[in-house]
Amino acid sequence: DAGITQSPRHKVTETGTPVTLRCHQTENHRYMYWYRQDPGHGLRLIHYSYGVKDTDKGEVSDGYSVSRSKTEDFLLTLESATSSQTSVYFCAIKRPGETDTQYFGPGTRLTVL
Amino acid sequence: RKEVEQDPGPFNVPEGATVAFNCTYSNSASQSFFWYRQDCRKEPKLLMSVYSSGNEDGRFTAQLNRASQYISLLIRDSKLSDSATYLCVVRNYGQNFVFGPGTRLSVLP
Repeated sequence: DAGITQSPRHKVTETGTPVTLRCHQTENHRYMYWYRQDPGHGLRLIHYSYGVKDTDKGEVSDGYSVSRSKTEDFLLTLESATSSQTSVYFCAIKRPGETDTQYFGPGTRLTVL
Repeated sequence: RKEVEQDPGPFNVPEGATVAFNCTYSNSASQSFFWYRQDCRKEPKLLMSVYSSGNEDGRFTAQLNRASQYISLLIRDSKLSDSATYLCVVRNYGQNFVFGPGTRLSVLP
């Protein structure tokens, strides 16, 4: 158990509304990641963080923003949700000393109508 | 061409069978390699890291061929509990982890 929780676990929203997903870790690791998973694409990196207030873009960052004001929380915001953002969102952390190994949270299933 | 490609699957095998999964990656500068498994509607979980010398963990053996940019996973004596989707993952540079689309395995009684 990597001590990662995600909230909400399921959400249905309408196009144009803002949505914030939360990732919480209990182990105070430096690196945290947000991915989305869609059929046929595998997981794709949206944004990642390497410390409080330190974030960078991933492969599919358009339409998403992130914030990390505390080590334990990494927030993903869809400023104006679109149907193309319907997906399963996974948060991950990377533990130091375990070369590049990522541990994932349980995921958030988001549907944008 | 996708950066990481895997056997399309699905693989349906009887219990006790040996099954091999293949993965190719396009970036010759890739630095780290992994196999994850993902159960239906669950998060991915690390199965094993893959090293140049090859590595084994019980019934699972992973091989890396950097010259051919190829990674393999061999599962011996398949169990029903091995049924899952197997994801090949490559880290290229920085925090750029690239996931393959996965290969689904069903082990049949």
